[in-house]
Amino acid sequence: DAGITQSPRHKVTETGTPVTLRCHQTENHRYMYWYRQDPGHGLRLIHYSYGVKDTDKGEVSDGYSVSRSKTEDFLLTLESATSSQTSVYFCAISESGGSGNTIYFGEGSWLTVV
Amino acid sequence: EDQVTQSPEALRLQEGESSSLNCSYTVSGLRGLFWYRQDPGKGPEFLFTLYSAGEEKEKERLKATLTKKESFLHITAPKPEDSATYLCAVRTDKLIFGTGTRLQVFP
Repeated sequence: DAGITQSPRHKVTETGTPVTLRCHQTENHRYMYWYRQDPGHGLRLIHYSYGVKDTDKGEVSDGYSVSRSKTEDFLLTLESATSSQTSVYFCAISESGGSGNTIYFGEGSWLTVV
Repeated sequence: EDQVTQSPEALRLQEGESSSLNCSYTVSGLRGLFWYRQDPGKGPEFLFTLYSAGEEKEKERLKATLTKKESFLHITAPKPEDSATYLCAVRTDKLIFGTGTRLQVFP
C-alpha cells in the first residue's frame, strides 16, 4: 500500500461537463503524477508536479489541467470532458525525480464520458 | 524514437510451467528499467528496478534480468495467484511504459 487515495474511484459524466479527480498521499513525497491507461497504449503521463504549485506537462496534457496547493494533494481537472477522455486515470508518487526513482501508483479512477 | 515493446501480449501457463516474459527497448540513454505487476481493477504494483546490463533481481518465483537491449521476467513454477498483467517501463529523460503481458496461470 503506497499511501495513495484517489477519488472518485468511478464516475460517469456527460460530454462538456467539468470533472475533477483527486489524489491524496500520506507519504510526503515531493513528486506526484497523473497517468492515463488505455487499451493498446502503455501508461501515458498527463501532468506531473515537483512541488507545491510546481507543475509541468506530460505527453498527453491537452484538455487537462492540474493543481497542487498542498504537498499531499494533486488535482486533475478536465475542463470540458470529451468521449476521448474516457479512460482509467492513475495517480502516482515518487520521492524525487531522479533516474532510478521508483514511482508508486494509486488504485485508479475509472472515468466514462457519455 | 524511444520505444518499449513487450511480448507476448498474452501467455497462458499451466501451474508449475516456467516461462519468461520479454521487454525489448530502443532508447537513447537508459537510466533504469522497472517491472510492475497489475491485477484487474488495480493500480500497478512495483516489483523491480534494474540499472545495468547483467543485473538480476529476484522475488519469490520471479527473476528479472537485463541486457543492453531487453529485459526478461522469468517466472519459475508459477501459481494461479501469479496471474496478472506485467508491465515494464524504461526511464530515459522520461518514463516509457510498454503495453504489458497478460499472464494467466491455470491449476
